[in-house]
Amino acid sequence: DADVTQTPRNRITKTGKRIMLECSQTKGHDRMYWYRQDPGLGLRLIYYSFDVKDINKGEISDGYSVSRQAQAKFSLSLESAIPNQTALYFCATSGGRGREQYFGPGTRLTVT
Amino acid sequence: GENVEQHPSTLSVQEGDSAVIKCTYSDSASNYFPWYKQELGKRPQLIIDIRSNVGEKKDQRIAVTLNKTAKHFSLHITETQPEDSAVYFCAATLSGGGADGLTFGKGTHLIIQP
Repeated sequence: DADVTQTPRNRITKTGKRIMLECSQTKGHDRMYWYRQDPGLGLRLIYYSFDVKDINKGEISDGYSVSRQAQAKFSLSLESAIPNQTALYFCATSGGRGREQYFGPGTRLTVT
Repeated sequence: GENVEQHPSTLSVQEGDSAVIKCTYSDSASNYFPWYKQELGKRPQLIIDIRSNVGEKKDQRIAVTLNKTAKHFSLHITETQPEDSAVYFCAATLSGGGADGLTFGKGTHLIIQP
C-alpha cells in the first residue's frame, strides 16, 4: 500500500546512537501509530497520535520518543539505541478508532 | 490493559481442508476485533474484522465468530489454498477513556500442505 511509506527500510546502527524512523501517509487519516514486531511476540504498540497536538504512550514506550510534524508525518526516535531495540518497526494509520489500520512496509532496525 | 492470547502458534492443514485459529481477550470493554494476514517479508493486511454487536461475519472463504460472554473470537478459513499460507494475527482494541491502538495476539503460522 503506497499510501503509507516508511524510511529507511533497513538500518544498522551502533549502541548509543540516536536514530529516527520516519513515516508518511497520503490517506488523509488523523490517527497514526508506531508498532514494534519481534519474532514470536506479535506487534506491540509503542506510541499513537490522534492529531498533531495529541500524542499518547502505548504498551512499550520506554526508550522511544515520537514527533508528529504534520497530519501526514509521524516520526519515531530512539535517543540512545540499545541491542534489544533490534526489531521490525511498523507505522500505521487509521481513519478513526475501531476502523481499519493501514500499515507501512516496515523498517528493519539492527542495533549492534 | 488488554491482553490477547492466540492459539495455536503453528497450524498445518492439507490443501482443501479448513483451518481454525482461536483468540481470547481480557478486557470486556474491547469492541473491535480485526484479523491481519502477514506474508513473509510483507506488511500486515486486514482480512476481516468484527465488532462486538455482531456474532459472526463472513467474506467468501473466511469467517470470524465472536463470543462476548466467553471473551473469545475465532477465524475460520474453509477450502484452504496454498496462498493462504502466512502468519495470521488477531487483535482487539485498547479500552478506556480516549485510548486507541490495537493489542495483538502473538500470531499463528498457517502452513497449507499440498
